[in-house]
Amino acid sequence: KAGVTQTPRYLIKTRGQQVTLSCSPISGHRSVSWYQQTPGQGLQFLFEYFSETQRNKGNFPGRFSGRQFSNSRSEMNVSTLELGDSALYLCASSSGTTARGGTQYFGPGTRLLVL
Amino acid sequence: DQQVKQNSPSLSVQEGRISILNCDYTNSMFDYFLWYKKYPAEGPTFLISISSIKDKNEDGRFTVFLNKSAKHLSLHIVPSQPGDSAVYFCAADAGNMLTFGGGTRLMVKP
Repeated sequence: KAGVTQTPRYLIKTRGQQVTLSCSPISGHRSVSWYQQTPGQGLQFLFEYFSETQRNKGNFPGRFSGRQFSNSRSEMNVSTLELGDSALYLCASSSGTTARGGTQYFGPGTRLLVL
Repeated sequence: DQQVKQNSPSLSVQEGRISILNCDYTNSMFDYFLWYKKYPAEGPTFLISISSIKDKNEDGRFTVFLNKSAKHLSLHIVPSQPGDSAVYFCAADAGNMLTFGGGTRLMVKP
């Protein structure tokens, strides 16, 4: 079974631009969660989608948004980029409705650098 | 307000010895805890978990201990191997999403 894939793997943008990141979950998984990883902050939860609906949302500004398609693929968008948005963005898919039992499988991440 | 904290950013251990990674939490609603391991350029991979109704869970060389009264959990790796060198994240679940700690970089020296 193919794992979680994320594209692109690396991205360089400038302040004020917007960016869209993509995540393809493991086949059959309906839940996709997004996390931001920065040095010293660990992984911070952005949002979770299940069956095309945003089910949970972390404490991030409205510049961060996402969506999920009928095939469970998900995209996240960051508008009006700021320097502090430079981070590794991780996507995780799950077959269940919660993260319990270690059922979240992570992709390799997209490293975003904002100049 | 960090609800899950890993106070040691790094830990160095000799091969064959025990590695102990610690994690503290503040939210009493957390009732499920997980440890993930992360290598550079890869996403985190699930290692071991524990429910709040237990105080210990073991899987091979990995054991997680939970002290609910102290709101503290720890991961023991015995014996430590060079391949265990990675960043370890603890995570806590209150039923809707995972809250991660900042991670501890473990270095196992041959």
